[in-house]
Amino acid sequence: AQSVAQPEDQVNVAEGNPLTVKCTYSVSGNPYLFWYVQYPNRGLQFLLKYITGDNLVKGSYGFEAEFNKSQTSFHLKKPSALVSDSALYFCAVRDKDRDDKIIFGKGTRLHILP
Amino acid sequence: ETGVTQTPRHLVMGMTNKKSLKCEQHLGHNAMYWYKQSAKKPLELMFVYSLEERVENNSVPSRFSPECPNSSHLFLHLHTLQPEDSALYLCASSQEEVEDYNEQFFGPGTRLTVL
Repeated sequence: AQSVAQPEDQVNVAEGNPLTVKCTYSVSGNPYLFWYVQYPNRGLQFLLKYITGDNLVKGSYGFEAEFNKSQTSFHLKKPSALVSDSALYFCAVRDKDRDDKIIFGKGTRLHILP
Repeated sequence: ETGVTQTPRHLVMGMTNKKSLKCEQHLGHNAMYWYKQSAKKPLELMFVYSLEERVENNSVPSRFSPECPNSSHLFLHLHTLQPEDSALYLCASSQEEVEDYNEQFFGPGTRLTVL
């Protein structure tokens, strides 16, 4: 069975510092991996995805994520955090080799401190 | 805006009421989804429609009834709900392809409160 874990409920980062939001996954085949962001009173917005190819994926708003197959991780990163990055971030996975539904993590709330 | 609209944005209903949530996508996608988002719980996929056929029903209680009359519209009919059904209901759409899996585009959600 596939699963995705976001081990941190909340991450606090000072503005201008690098940020990391962690995600690990478990699938029996090869994964499709996604990051979404949710701002208050809004639906989820797609940030980036890993399908195949380069392990470092670049996405919207200066975010990037690194696919690490040996550690089964897909951590979200940004070199310099902005206060406007404060939001709820969701990692999601789908098994590429099975006809399974997409699974979302429980979300990590990111607070960027001015 | 993401190209997916939902109405109403807020809904308060009693346990004996019947109401419907509406979702419309303007992106030309061929798949639509209903999700339930509750506080401190993972996003729950409720229903999936692909090419207007229901392909996923994740053991959702029968008091929730989806309808997909065409590829642009999706409804969620609600009747005799329980207070624990109070949540944010999100609609999403995507373009499903045989050899790929594309990201989903989400609407802003309907905040449902069941009294």
